[in-house]
Amino acid sequence: DSGVTQTPKHLITATGQRVTLRCSPRSGDLSVYWYQQSLDQGLQFLIQYYNGEERAKGNILERFSAQQFPDLHSELNLSSLELGDSALYFCASSTQTGGNVGYTFGSGTRLTVV
Amino acid sequence: DQQVKQNSPSLSVQEGRISILNCDYTNSMFDYFLWYKKYPAEGPTFLISISSIKDKNEDGRFTVFLNKSAKHLSLHIVPSQPGDSAVYFCAAKAGYNFNKFYFGSGTKLNVKP
Repeated sequence: DSGVTQTPKHLITATGQRVTLRCSPRSGDLSVYWYQQSLDQGLQFLIQYYNGEERAKGNILERFSAQQFPDLHSELNLSSLELGDSALYFCASSTQTGGNVGYTFGSGTRLTVV
Repeated sequence: DQQVKQNSPSLSVQEGRISILNCDYTNSMFDYFLWYKKYPAEGPTFLISISSIKDKNEDGRFTVFLNKSAKHLSLHIVPSQPGDSAVYFCAAKAGYNFNKFYFGSGTKLNVKP
């Protein structure tokens, strides 16, 4: 157990629907990162939050949004879902927003859009 | 635009031999590099890192080499063990004040007993 908790582990939904993925960071970590891994692709950076504030943004679609709450858990909202949104979505956390440190990843949420 | 590339999707080696996983990058501003290992149904776990001020970092059976002029990173596993069979991702970032990593697409290593 890495200490980063993602729920749900699996999600199957229809096109056009909206889903929310949840992430609880490792205790003490203030930064949360969301990544998307599509088939045969690397992990694509979506967005980073640090202590409730958006810190960096990647290639996140306008249909996607995220937030980090006062208790530091984060939610990634995906709306108007398309077949191409099917992917593994990883959340990761770290103690700070910079420095030479890596992330601790959760085990991911596998989203299947049918 | 893929700034970090792992051109070998898979690699198969015999137990006890050396595994060499390669990674190329395009951004000359990258100054910190990581390797992650991922088993099925789990998230990636940190394996080893290297800063751009070094050209080699060793941790047990794992050694990472950095060739800045060639913008090339490699991970050596010696000796390889069946438990090393996993997908390996390299990742890179630019700037101490930022923690946004760019990941490669991964190399699936299979170590045969």
